[in-house]
Amino acid sequence: AQKITQTQPGMFVQEKEAVTLDCTYDTSDPSYGLFWYKQPSSGEMIFLIYQGSYDQQNATEGRYSLNFQKARKSANLVISASQLGDSAMYFCAMREGLRTSGSRLTFGEGTQLTVNP
Amino acid sequence: GAVVSQHPSWVICKSGTSVKIECRSLDFQATTMFWYRQFPKQSLMLMATSNEGSKATYEQGVEKDKFLINHASLTLSTLTVTSAHPEDSSFYICSPTSSGSTYEQYFGPGTRLTVT
Repeated sequence: AQKITQTQPGMFVQEKEAVTLDCTYDTSDPSYGLFWYKQPSSGEMIFLIYQGSYDQQNATEGRYSLNFQKARKSANLVISASQLGDSAMYFCAMREGLRTSGSRLTFGEGTQLTVNP
Repeated sequence: GAVVSQHPSWVICKSGTSVKIECRSLDFQATTMFWYRQFPKQSLMLMATSNEGSKATYEQGVEKDKFLINHASLTLSTLTVTSAHPEDSSFYICSPTSSGSTYEQYFGPGTRLTVT
């Protein structure tokens, strides 16, 4: 079974508008972390935001916020005021077993975001 | 964030030759190193996990004799693609982490390998 599911292969948004990228996950581990990364065409993985399973509040980092709905096992990324430079591939990822050192990240299939001027 | 370098950033080699990719964590002690492979327009797939001073653990379907991983120090790990074939052409990314880390997960800039 897929641990991380991103159902939107591609998304388009107008510059200055907000966009939500969907991510659902599957785990039975009570201790896990959810990540979002941006990958521009250069290939580098840019960390955007992190949400821990025990965090009470939704994470925010500048224009990025994470809509964490634990019961629904979803961790959607919201980008506000989109910019042309936001055009990239976005990956949702999960790390299970946070109490275990060196636990791996599992990635979703990614969403290609295109910001139109 | 931590500084991670990979060398080379891109390489073209002939089929049957071997290629070594180096990953260095310049200001970070990498007790664990993850190596990922990414084909065009696909996600990152974990190839193997190595702990400093130990043998790597390979994911199902990844040939350990073909993809040799060495993690001899806390700042250097290498991935050697032996007897490369065109189907090994891919983007290889290293990702170091330290023991006890919860959310720090750094990535190298990646190495684009093309086998002709």
